[in-house]
Amino acid sequence: AQSVTQLDSQVPVFEEAPVELRCNYSSSVSVYLFWYVQYPNQGLQLLLKYLSGSTLVKGINGFEAEFNKSQTSFHLRKPSVHISDTAEYFCAVRGATNKLIFGTGTLLAVQP
Amino acid sequence: GAGVSQTPSNKVTEKGKYVELRCDPISGHTALYWYRQSLGQGPEFLIYFQGTGAADDSGLPNDRFFAVRPEGSVSTLKIQRTERGDSAMYLCASSRGTNNEQFFGPGTRLTVL
Repeated sequence: AQSVTQLDSQVPVFEEAPVELRCNYSSSVSVYLFWYVQYPNQGLQLLLKYLSGSTLVKGINGFEAEFNKSQTSFHLRKPSVHISDTAEYFCAVRGATNKLIFGTGTLLAVQP
Repeated sequence: GAGVSQTPSNKVTEKGKYVELRCDPISGHTALYWYRQSLGQGPEFLIYFQGTGAADDSGLPNDRFFAVRPEGSVSTLKIQRTERGDSAMYLCASSRGTNNEQFFGPGTRLTVL
């Protein structure tokens, strides 16, 4: 069975500091991984995805993630965060029939 | 173009009542998904439609939950005899095909009193 673990429920960080949000996955089949962002009272928006090819994936809003097969990780990074990045971030793996299996989410709280 | 829309945005009902939640996918998207997101949790898969048929309903929690997509476009999630534990955000997503990116709607927040 496939699963996703986001160990950090909340990550506080100061504005303009770098940030890393951790994601580990479990899968016995080909892995397709995603990061979604959810702003308050809004739906989910795709930040980036890994389907194949380069293990370093660049997404919107200056975010990037690196697929690491040996460590079964797909951590999300941004070199300098803004107040507007405050949101809930979800890592997900694609399961059978293309359904997404999500982690429990990480709240990124950017402080001035 | 228009994104995925869901109505109503908020629904408050009483325990035991019947509710219907509607999802309008992006035009031309053949795949449609329903997810449920409880407070403090990630979304959990409920059901997937490819066209008019439910290709995977393994996430429906029990037989009080049912969903339809009669014409391969709009979908309705139906919940009978609602319980307080059904309170959650219900999200709908659509994609052009099975292996394409899913686009999410804003969700319907269901509160069962």
